[in-house]
Amino acid sequence: DAMVIQNPRYQVTQFGKPVTLSCSQTLNHNVMYWYQQKSSQAPKLLFHYYDKDFNNEADTPDNFQSRRPNTSFCFLDIRSPGLGDAAMYLCATSRERGGNSPLHFGNGTRLTVT
Amino acid sequence: AQTVTQSQPEMSVQEAETVTLSCTYDTSESDYYLFWYKQPPSRQMILVIRQEAYKQQNATENRFSVNFQKAAKSFSLKISDSQLGDAAMYFCAYRKYNQGGKLIFGQGTELSVKP
Repeated sequence: DAMVIQNPRYQVTQFGKPVTLSCSQTLNHNVMYWYQQKSSQAPKLLFHYYDKDFNNEADTPDNFQSRRPNTSFCFLDIRSPGLGDAAMYLCATSRERGGNSPLHFGNGTRLTVT
Repeated sequence: AQTVTQSQPEMSVQEAETVTLSCTYDTSESDYYLFWYKQPPSRQMILVIRQEAYKQQNATENRFSVNFQKAAKSFSLKISDSQLGDAAMYFCAYRKYNQGGKLIFGQGTELSVKP
């Protein structure tokens, strides 16, 4: 089945130690998104790629970076994780950026920072 | 800036009964899309239903329907014949019509279903 896959489901990292979360998709969608969702809060968009075009949200900290080496894969890099970066990170895809194009989400990666 | 508000942090419904989740939003746009997403515990978020603002007819998907009141900027979700599998966090979301419009989520409503 076509889907959005996030690895790992659970990730533990140390304070200040770089960590990379991965996302892959078999939907061949143009757009890939990274959301941060803290406990009992709404998902917050960090950035998205439209094809190879990177679009950063204005309030996304510099500590967060992303790479999209090809259509299928997208990575979230946290350069120096702080305790406040502990959250669920959701990857999503959509065929197009706007309009009626729905988002398809992965299962998420829950990041713990010790 | 657009905002989405869900005023009910938690709701509860008896199995087989009907429940309505509230959502209001603020926008100056005339064309946009509204969505309800469901996020079960430890599972992925999935789309429940969507509504185009230019359509007057309320969207329906099986047991799920919306009451879209454009003038009041209200977009409630009605779940009929509630099932245990409906228990989840429900997010209302808004998206601008034009390309580049990001999905803006409300704070969510946690729905529990009692057997």
